[in-house]
Amino acid sequence: TQLLEQSPQFLSIQEGENLTVYCNSSSVFSSLQWYRQEPGEGPVLLVTVVTGGEVKKLKRLTFQFGDARKDSSLHITAAQPGDTGLYLCAGVFNDYKLSFGAGTTVTVRA
Amino acid sequence: SQTIHQWPATLVQPVGSPLSLECTVEGTSNPNLYWYRQAAGRGLQLLFYSIGIDQISSEVPQNLSASRPQDRQFILSSKKLLLSDSGFYLCAHGEASGANVLTFGAGSRLTVL
Repeated sequence: TQLLEQSPQFLSIQEGENLTVYCNSSSVFSSLQWYRQEPGEGPVLLVTVVTGGEVKKLKRLTFQFGDARKDSSLHITAAQPGDTGLYLCAGVFNDYKLSFGAGTTVTVRA
Repeated sequence: SQTIHQWPATLVQPVGSPLSLECTVEGTSNPNLYWYRQAAGRGLQLLFYSIGIDQISSEVPQNLSASRPQDRQFILSSKKLLLSDSGFYLCAHGEASGANVLTFGAGSRLTVL
């Protein structure tokens, strides 16, 4: 059972366009993480959000954690081909376990 | 700095053969260690996690087992592989407390024929 639902599953856009990826759950998390993964490699952490309503910016990436700590979004402004990859959200249950969403495959065409 | 090594990177095995994937971590003590499996281009399924030597928790019933003989070594094994064991296996380590951010290895691609 996937506790975290990510949408859309696939996203293909032109370079320079904006995109938003959503991560939703009925569960409350102590924190939520976003990872990016390239083919044949392990995921790499982008950001951790901890406080409900928190907004974090990482260059052209903006991450938001819902007020109730059940959902999050990732917004990319002026996407570039280098942003192509699989974006995964992960909810932290306790000190040991994370639950991952199914991922959103983002393709940015030059 | 912390480093995580995972090998082999690629493995092709016949059905019914044994499996051993190894993972070692450098630069940290008493890490939480994890084995995940990932279907092609999809999310990660937690298989096992360990909070200490010989302390293994299994998340899903399966044909695989895990062992942690040393603090920074985590091994994924099978006595007899099934076709359904094919996949991309990722080892990861996390902080013992706090937000439990995971650092992943480069992964092992297993194909069972």
